[in-house]
Amino acid sequence: EAQVTQNPRYLITVTGKKLTVTCSQNMNHEYMSWYRQDPGLGLRQIYYSMNVEVTDKGDVPEGYKVSRKEKRNFPLILESPSPNQTSLYFCASSITNTGELFFGEGSRLTVL
Amino acid sequence: SQQGEEDPQALSIQEGENATMNCSYKTSINNLQWYRQNSGRGLVHLILIRSNEREKHSGRLRVTLDTSKKSSSLLITASRAADTASYFCATDAAGNQFYFGTGTSLTVIP
Repeated sequence: EAQVTQNPRYLITVTGKKLTVTCSQNMNHEYMSWYRQDPGLGLRQIYYSMNVEVTDKGDVPEGYKVSRKEKRNFPLILESPSPNQTSLYFCASSITNTGELFFGEGSRLTVL
Repeated sequence: SQQGEEDPQALSIQEGENATMNCSYKTSINNLQWYRQNSGRGLVHLILIRSNEREKHSGRLRVTLDTSKKSSSLLITASRAADTASYFCATDAAGNQFYFGTGTSLTVIP
């Protein structure tokens, strides 16, 4: 089954404790991206990747890092989480940078 | 920002009625897409319309695109309770980013 898998789905952590949200897709997609969703703000793009070893900043990259060492994986790293990073995070992938996006089920992160 | 805006923010209709929601965006696009999100879940792709298309249909969905006004509309005909969800438009600019609107929350009352 074609899917994008994110883990963890739910996480409560404390300020400053590094965490990684993993994202994996099984569709051989070139394009992968991360979004955060906050009430009243819609989805905002954090980072995206056109292919292996190619990553670029989206609209809200501050406080986040990503890597794309393999085509299927695109982890989101919060080196020193802060409360303003409390949000619902989505990973998505697509064949191209203009095609249909396939979303994961989301990761709800709370930073205390 | 390229981010689009949906209108209305919230819409409540009776089952069987049609639902129309609109999306406006700011810069030139290649494609415009509509997505659906059930509460707290991942977004699901509904339909994609290219910048050189004016109208597209998929089942009970009808999408129009007016690039001169930088706007699009999504019509859901004969709505069902299961259509209750949030609907988002997404655009791609000249770069490699996708920009999502703030969404329309649709409630279909049985």
